[in-house]
Amino acid sequence: GESVGLHLPTLSVQEGDNSIINCAYSNSASDYFIWYKQESGKGPQFIIDIRSNMDKRQGQRVTVLLNKTVKHLSLQIAATQPGDSAVYFCAENPGTDSWGKLQFGAGTQVVVTP
Amino acid sequence: NAGVMQNPRHLVRRRGQEARLRCSPMKGHSHVYWYRQLPEEGLKFMVYLQKENIIDESGMPKERFSAEFPKEGPSILRIQQVVRGDSAAYFCASSPLRTNTEAFFGQGTRLTVV
Repeated sequence: GESVGLHLPTLSVQEGDNSIINCAYSNSASDYFIWYKQESGKGPQFIIDIRSNMDKRQGQRVTVLLNKTVKHLSLQIAATQPGDSAVYFCAENPGTDSWGKLQFGAGTQVVVTP
Repeated sequence: NAGVMQNPRHLVRRRGQEARLRCSPMKGHSHVYWYRQLPEEGLKFMVYLQKENIIDESGMPKERFSAEFPKEGPSILRIQQVVRGDSAAYFCASSPLRTNTEAFFGQGTRLTVV
């Protein structure tokens, strides 16, 4: 399944399939990007990050792709599991001196069906 | 090593009362960030603090909201004379350095104004 940010806020995916969550960021000066997972009633949990001098980074079952030309970020989850059901946020550091001013997207709800 | 601790987890206040939200960063972290999350939305940056210093409060409402991070004790986000629109989840994050590094979020305080 594939999601395009605000236009498709809910992504339903079958267990075992791959998920792709997309995010368009706004600031061409942003130099650091993070994907967070937020389960209901909990705080955001770091998944993976990528710096602007990279275009791909892999973690355990997750891959983040960065396309600076079109200001697009994606998160790929391989072999989606029920525990992956959550809201996923992309966040960008807008290139200021402070990490703290992360700008979060609106989020994509991922629902894993058996 | 305990994570970022926020308390209370849930807080109910009547309109006009004061709300105090506490955040203890991870051990060894001296940078604290507060974010607010309205229902169905992403997190919005509020304020960035170091011990005894406010570094960036550009996301704080001009009135009724204040934050501190004293030399000893937790960081406090204070909301005076709460209104219904203040109802939200408030998250605190901490990091060890003022650089682009992985940061850790607490579980949040859910404020309900009745």
